[in-house]
Amino acid sequence: KNEVEQSPQNLTAQEGEFITINCSYSVGISALHWLQQHPGGGIVSLFMLSSGKKKHGRLIATINIQEKHSSLHITASHPRDSAVYICAVGRGGADGLTFGKGTHLIIQP
Amino acid sequence: NAGVTQTPKFRVLKTGQSMTLLCAQDMNHEYMYWYRQDPGMGLRLIHYSVGEGTTAKGEVPDGYNVSRLKKQNFLLGLESAAPSQTSVYFCASSYPPGASNQPQHFGDGTRLSIL
Repeated sequence: KNEVEQSPQNLTAQEGEFITINCSYSVGISALHWLQQHPGGGIVSLFMLSSGKKKHGRLIATINIQEKHSSLHITASHPRDSAVYICAVGRGGADGLTFGKGTHLIIQP
Repeated sequence: NAGVTQTPKFRVLKTGQSMTLLCAQDMNHEYMYWYRQDPGMGLRLIHYSVGEGTTAKGEVPDGYNVSRLKKQNFLLGLESAAPSQTSVYFCASSYPPGASNQPQHFGDGTRLSIL
């Protein structure tokens, strides 16, 4: 079983819809990261959180440490939000992140 | 604002050839990482460094070597390339104490094909 599981793997929605991507993990963590990878391939860090909720523009990330679960929400989705969204966890050491397989999101006009 | 720069962006090698991937960062980050990304799998850590002159193995280190002679550069070497090393390679960097509690800054990736 993977230590970081994302759902759904693929998601197609219409412009304007509210989007939710889920991430569950099975190990103790010090922080959870949400990343965005565009079709061109570059990876950008969206959020890093260890508790509660963070918001940046139309993106909201939440985490429930007790349930070992995080969600990434996109409000008023737009075609430019089309990308792969990756959940990753840091486990407290210096040795990098453990990644989920990503959620491929397509927003149709 | 270069951030993290990877060279080359694309490369095709024949089995048995060697090459070095270069990662350079201008943010004075102590920690640097090499990951590989394969279809249907999450990114996996190859090697990492917590400072100049230090390196450590990650999850999938076999077939790779690394060096961190200067703080700003982290080199990934393939001594004898194999088709299983066909992948997209990403370099990342961060401040201490590393990925667990600091955002990671990624390069744009190097797409490597081994024939």
